[in-house]
Amino acid sequence: GENVEQHPSTLSVQEGDSAVIKCTYSDSASNYFPWYKQELGKRPQLIIDIRSNVGEKKDQRIAVTLNKTAKHFSLHITETQPEDSAVYFCAASGRAAGNKLTFGGGTRVLVKP
Amino acid sequence: KAGVTQTPRYLIKTRGQQVTLSCSPISGHRSVSWYQQTPGQGLQFLFEYFSETQRNKGNFPGRFSGRQFSNSRSEMNVSTLELGDSALYLCASSLDGTGNQPQHFGDGTRLSIL
Repeated sequence: GENVEQHPSTLSVQEGDSAVIKCTYSDSASNYFPWYKQELGKRPQLIIDIRSNVGEKKDQRIAVTLNKTAKHFSLHITETQPEDSAVYFCAASGRAAGNKLTFGGGTRVLVKP
Repeated sequence: KAGVTQTPRYLIKTRGQQVTLSCSPISGHRSVSWYQQTPGQGLQFLFEYFSETQRNKGNFPGRFSGRQFSNSRSEMNVSTLELGDSALYLCASSLDGTGNQPQHFGDGTRLSIL
């Protein structure tokens, strides 16, 4: 089955700097890659997603890139703000797996003011 | 549009008991997936229901089961509770079962086993 690895597990950045989180996946049939943000005590919230027919997608300060050949995808947050502090999860799913999302282990991001 | 609603939000049970958790998906969403979240194991897929049929199942023992009703609402049941079942149980709904549609999560049910 699919296996998703996420790095780093913790990330501390200064307000205004950029943050990058990287994920690798194992199943070349995976074609959908969402990113979730989970604040303490709250639900995981979808912040951006990318499908395998696209190499990059951007939404204001966040962007995701996908390299299908290398089987990795990354989340980029620019101009970080204290409210970006949260745990971020990457995930992967493929047509063969239906709606089963396989999650990475999560990255705890701390933005220091 | 109302989001995904899970009830109850908190539950305390003792070992050996059973529990039923409920999930109402976003209106129009036909797929409901269940996940277990623990500090040690992260987010683990339990199972997915689409049109009242279980389409996919994760690596959990048979004590974990679920079902989906004709209105797409779903329930999951855990029997013979163990201490290790203490976790946040999240459900997520999506429009269809193609595997490339966004899944939206509910607030979860926090289950504590004493």
